[in-house]
Amino acid sequence: QSALTQPPSVSGSLGQSVTISCTGTISDIGSNNVVSWYQQAPGTAPKVIIYEVNNRPSGVPDRFSGSKSGNTASLTISGLQAEDEADYFCGSRTGDSTLIFGGGTKLTVL
Amino acid sequence: QMQMQESGPGLVKPSETLSLTCTVSGGSIRSDNYWWGWIRQSPGKGLEWIGIVFYSGSIYYSTSLRGRVTISVDTSKNQFSLKLTSVTAADTAVYYCARQFAYGKWYLDLWGRGALVTVSS
Repeated sequence: QSALTQPPSVSGSLGQSVTISCTGTISDIGSNNVVSWYQQAPGTAPKVIIYEVNNRPSGVPDRFSGSKSGNTASLTISGLQAEDEADYFCGSRTGDSTLIFGGGTKLTVL
Repeated sequence: QMQMQESGPGLVKPSETLSLTCTVSGGSIRSDNYWWGWIRQSPGKGLEWIGIVFYSGSIYYSTSLRGRVTISVDTSKNQFSLKLTSVTAADTAVYYCARQFAYGKWYLDLWGRGALVTVSS
Protein backbone atom coordinates (compact mmCIF):
# COMPACT_ATOMS: atom_id res chain seq x y z
CA GLN A 1 0.00 0.00 0.00
CA SER A 2 1.35 3.45 -0.90
CA ALA A 3 2.23 5.98 1.76
CA LEU A 4 -0.18 8.76 2.60
CA THR A 5 0.53 11.96 0.66
CA GLN A 6 1.92 15.00 2.46
CA PRO A 7 3.54 18.16 1.06
CA PRO A 8 7.34 17.85 1.37
CA SER A 9 7.65 21.23 3.03
CA VAL A 10 5.66 24.12 4.47
CA SER A 11 6.76 27.35 6.08
CA GLY A 12 5.29 30.07 8.21
CA SER A 13 6.35 33.09 10.18
CA LEU A 14 6.52 33.30 13.93
CA GLY A 15 3.04 33.73 15.36
CA GLN A 16 1.25 32.71 12.17
CA SER A 17 -0.66 29.50 11.45
CA VAL A 18 0.16 26.68 9.07
CA THR A 19 -1.80 23.66 7.94
CA ILE A 20 -0.31 20.38 6.78
CA SER A 21 -2.47 18.07 4.71
CA CYS A 22 -2.38 14.29 4.58
CA THR A 23 -4.25 12.58 1.77
CA GLY A 24 -5.12 8.93 1.67
CA THR A 25 -7.86 6.77 0.25
CA ILE A 26 -11.18 5.24 1.20
CA SER A 27 -9.16 2.23 2.42
CA ASP A 28 -7.35 4.17 5.14
CA ILE A 29 -8.14 7.76 6.19
CA GLY A 30 -11.55 7.67 4.56
CA SER A 31 -12.68 4.59 6.46
CA ASN A 32 -11.82 5.38 10.08
CA ASN A 33 -11.14 8.02 12.71
CA VAL A 34 -7.76 6.73 13.86
CA VAL A 35 -5.55 9.32 12.17
CA SER A 36 -2.54 10.40 14.21
CA TRP A 37 0.19 13.01 13.80
CA TYR A 38 3.82 12.85 14.92
CA GLN A 39 6.46 15.53 15.40
CA GLN A 40 10.09 14.61 14.88
CA ALA A 41 12.96 16.95 15.73
CA PRO A 42 16.32 16.18 14.09
CA GLY A 43 18.06 13.17 15.57
CA THR A 44 15.17 12.22 17.84
CA ALA A 45 12.34 9.70 17.82
CA PRO A 46 8.88 10.81 16.68
CA LYS A 47 6.45 12.08 19.30
CA VAL A 48 2.68 11.80 18.96
CA ILE A 49 0.93 15.18 19.02
CA ILE A 50 -2.55 14.24 17.74
CA TYR A 51 -4.43 10.94 17.91
CA GLU A 52 -7.88 9.85 16.72
CA VAL A 53 -8.04 12.80 14.30
CA ASN A 54 -8.28 15.64 16.83
CA ASN A 55 -7.21 14.54 20.30
CA ARG A 56 -4.09 15.88 21.98
CA PRO A 57 -2.05 13.82 24.46
CA SER A 58 -1.37 15.40 27.81
CA GLY A 59 1.36 18.01 27.54
CA VAL A 60 0.83 18.91 23.89
CA PRO A 61 -0.07 22.61 23.53
CA ASP A 62 -3.53 23.45 22.26
CA ARG A 63 -1.85 25.32 19.39
CA PHE A 64 -1.85 21.92 17.69
CA SER A 65 -5.17 20.74 16.26
CA GLY A 66 -6.33 18.11 13.83
CA SER A 67 -9.26 17.57 11.51
CA LYS A 68 -10.45 15.27 8.77
CA SER A 69 -12.66 15.53 5.72
CA GLY A 70 -13.21 12.56 3.48
CA ASN A 71 -9.87 11.01 2.59
CA THR A 72 -7.80 13.97 3.81
CA ALA A 73 -6.62 14.76 7.32
CA SER A 74 -5.07 18.05 8.35
CA LEU A 75 -2.81 19.30 11.11
CA THR A 76 -2.99 22.98 12.00
CA ILE A 77 -0.37 24.71 14.12
CA SER A 78 -1.38 28.16 15.27
CA GLY A 79 0.82 30.80 16.89
CA LEU A 80 3.97 29.30 15.36
CA GLN A 81 6.97 29.16 17.63
CA ALA A 82 10.59 28.52 16.77
CA GLU A 83 10.54 25.17 18.54
CA ASP A 84 7.81 23.94 16.19
CA GLU A 85 10.38 23.62 13.42
CA ALA A 86 10.51 19.86 12.81
CA ASP A 87 9.30 17.10 10.53
CA TYR A 88 5.65 16.09 10.81
CA PHE A 89 4.21 12.72 9.86
CA CYS A 90 0.61 11.58 9.65
CA GLY A 91 -0.49 8.00 10.23
CA SER A 92 -3.67 6.02 9.69
CA ARG A 93 -4.98 2.55 10.22
CA THR A 94 -5.70 0.71 6.99
CA GLY A 95 -8.50 -1.64 6.10
CA ASP A 96 -6.24 -4.68 6.43
CA SER A 97 -5.20 -3.80 9.97
CA THR A 98 -1.85 -2.21 9.35
CA LEU A 99 -0.60 1.31 10.04
CA ILE A 100 0.47 3.53 7.18
CA PHE A 101 2.40 6.80 7.41
CA GLY A 102 2.74 9.86 5.25
CA GLY A 103 6.04 10.76 3.65
CA GLY A 104 6.57 13.61 6.09
CA THR A 105 6.49 17.40 5.91
CA LYS A 106 9.36 19.64 6.92
CA LEU A 107 8.11 22.73 8.72
CA THR A 108 10.31 25.80 8.56
CA VAL A 109 9.56 28.69 10.90
CA LEU A 110 10.65 31.96 9.36
CA GLN B 1 7.97 5.74 33.92
CA MET B 2 8.07 3.19 31.14
CA GLN B 3 11.01 3.27 28.75
CA MET B 4 11.96 1.24 25.71
CA GLN B 5 15.43 0.44 24.37
CA GLU B 6 16.46 -1.24 21.15
CA SER B 7 19.54 -3.47 21.00
CA GLY B 8 21.27 -5.57 18.36
CA PRO B 9 23.99 -5.52 15.71
CA GLY B 10 24.50 -2.26 13.88
CA LEU B 11 25.90 -3.94 10.78
CA VAL B 12 24.36 -6.83 8.86
CA LYS B 13 25.61 -8.41 5.64
CA PRO B 14 23.36 -8.60 2.57
CA SER B 15 21.21 -11.76 2.41
CA GLU B 16 21.59 -12.34 6.16
CA THR B 17 19.03 -11.86 8.94
CA LEU B 18 18.59 -8.63 10.88
CA SER B 19 17.77 -9.24 14.55
CA LEU B 20 16.79 -6.61 17.11
CA THR B 21 15.40 -6.77 20.62
CA CYS B 22 13.40 -4.16 22.49
CA THR B 23 13.62 -4.18 26.28
CA VAL B 24 10.74 -2.56 28.14
CA SER B 25 11.48 -1.14 31.58
CA GLY B 26 9.36 0.65 34.16
CA GLY B 27 6.25 -1.39 33.42
CA SER B 28 5.00 -4.76 32.27
CA ILE B 29 4.71 -5.86 28.68
CA ARG B 30 1.76 -7.98 29.84
CA SER B 31 -0.79 -5.21 29.46
CA ASP B 32 -4.20 -5.36 27.82
CA ASN B 33 -3.82 -1.69 26.90
CA TYR B 34 -0.93 -1.90 24.47
CA TRP B 35 0.55 -3.67 21.51
CA TRP B 36 4.33 -3.58 20.96
CA GLY B 37 5.67 -2.58 17.60
CA TRP B 38 8.55 -1.93 15.23
CA ILE B 39 8.86 1.02 12.88
CA ARG B 40 11.80 1.91 10.65
CA GLN B 41 13.04 5.08 8.97
CA SER B 42 15.47 4.97 6.07
CA PRO B 43 18.07 7.77 6.03
CA GLY B 44 16.35 11.03 5.16
CA LYS B 45 13.06 9.27 4.48
CA GLY B 46 9.69 8.71 6.07
CA LEU B 47 8.43 6.22 8.61
CA GLU B 48 7.52 2.65 7.75
CA TRP B 49 5.43 0.53 10.14
CA ILE B 50 6.74 -3.03 10.31
CA GLY B 51 4.32 -4.74 12.66
CA ILE B 52 2.99 -5.20 16.19
CA VAL B 53 2.70 -8.00 18.72
CA PHE B 54 0.40 -8.42 21.73
CA TYR B 55 1.68 -10.08 24.90
CA SER B 56 -0.50 -13.09 24.10
CA GLY B 57 1.40 -13.55 20.83
CA SER B 58 -1.15 -12.11 18.42
CA ILE B 59 0.56 -10.31 15.55
CA TYR B 60 -0.08 -7.92 12.68
CA TYR B 61 2.53 -7.41 9.95
CA SER B 62 3.05 -4.84 7.22
CA THR B 63 1.79 -6.19 3.91
CA SER B 64 5.01 -5.14 2.14
CA LEU B 65 7.31 -6.98 4.56
CA ARG B 66 5.12 -9.99 5.28
CA GLY B 67 7.08 -13.10 4.40
CA ARG B 68 10.43 -11.70 5.56
CA VAL B 69 9.53 -10.41 9.01
CA THR B 70 8.93 -12.15 12.32
CA ILE B 71 8.01 -10.36 15.53
CA SER B 72 7.92 -12.26 18.80
CA VAL B 73 7.42 -11.50 22.48
CA ASP B 74 9.12 -12.86 25.61
CA THR B 75 7.04 -11.84 28.60
CA SER B 76 9.47 -13.45 31.07
CA LYS B 77 12.14 -10.98 29.98
CA ASN B 78 9.78 -8.08 29.26
CA GLN B 79 11.13 -7.99 25.72
CA PHE B 80 9.95 -8.30 22.17
CA SER B 81 12.02 -8.94 19.06
CA LEU B 82 12.25 -8.36 15.34
CA LYS B 83 13.78 -10.62 12.73
CA LEU B 84 14.02 -9.58 9.08
CA THR B 85 15.44 -12.12 6.65
CA SER B 86 17.25 -11.77 3.31
CA VAL B 87 18.20 -8.15 3.93
CA THR B 88 19.45 -5.80 1.23
CA ALA B 89 20.81 -2.26 1.26
CA ALA B 90 17.20 -1.06 1.10
CA ASP B 91 16.71 -2.36 4.64
CA THR B 92 19.31 0.09 6.00
CA ALA B 93 17.41 2.27 8.44
CA VAL B 94 16.94 3.43 11.98
CA TYR B 95 14.72 0.84 13.63
CA TYR B 96 12.44 2.04 16.43
CA CYS B 97 10.48 -0.02 18.88
CA ALA B 98 7.31 1.63 20.13
CA ARG B 99 4.19 1.14 22.18
CA GLN B 100 0.88 1.18 20.29
CA PHE B 101 -2.42 1.72 22.01
CA ALA B 102 -4.87 -1.18 21.86
CA TYR B 103 -8.68 -1.02 21.62
CA GLY B 104 -8.57 0.15 18.03
CA LYS B 105 -6.75 3.41 18.73
CA TRP B 106 -3.76 2.65 16.48
CA TYR B 107 -1.33 5.31 17.58
CA LEU B 108 2.19 5.08 18.99
CA ASP B 109 2.62 6.96 22.22
CA LEU B 110 6.04 5.81 23.46
CA TRP B 111 9.15 5.23 21.36
CA GLY B 112 12.65 3.95 21.91
CA ARG B 113 15.58 6.09 20.84
CA GLY B 114 16.12 4.01 17.72
CA ALA B 115 18.92 1.77 16.50
CA LEU B 116 20.72 2.35 13.21
CA VAL B 117 21.18 -0.86 11.23
CA THR B 118 23.35 -0.74 8.14
CA VAL B 119 23.26 -3.51 5.55
CA SER B 120 26.63 -3.77 3.91
CA SER B 121 29.27 -6.34 3.11
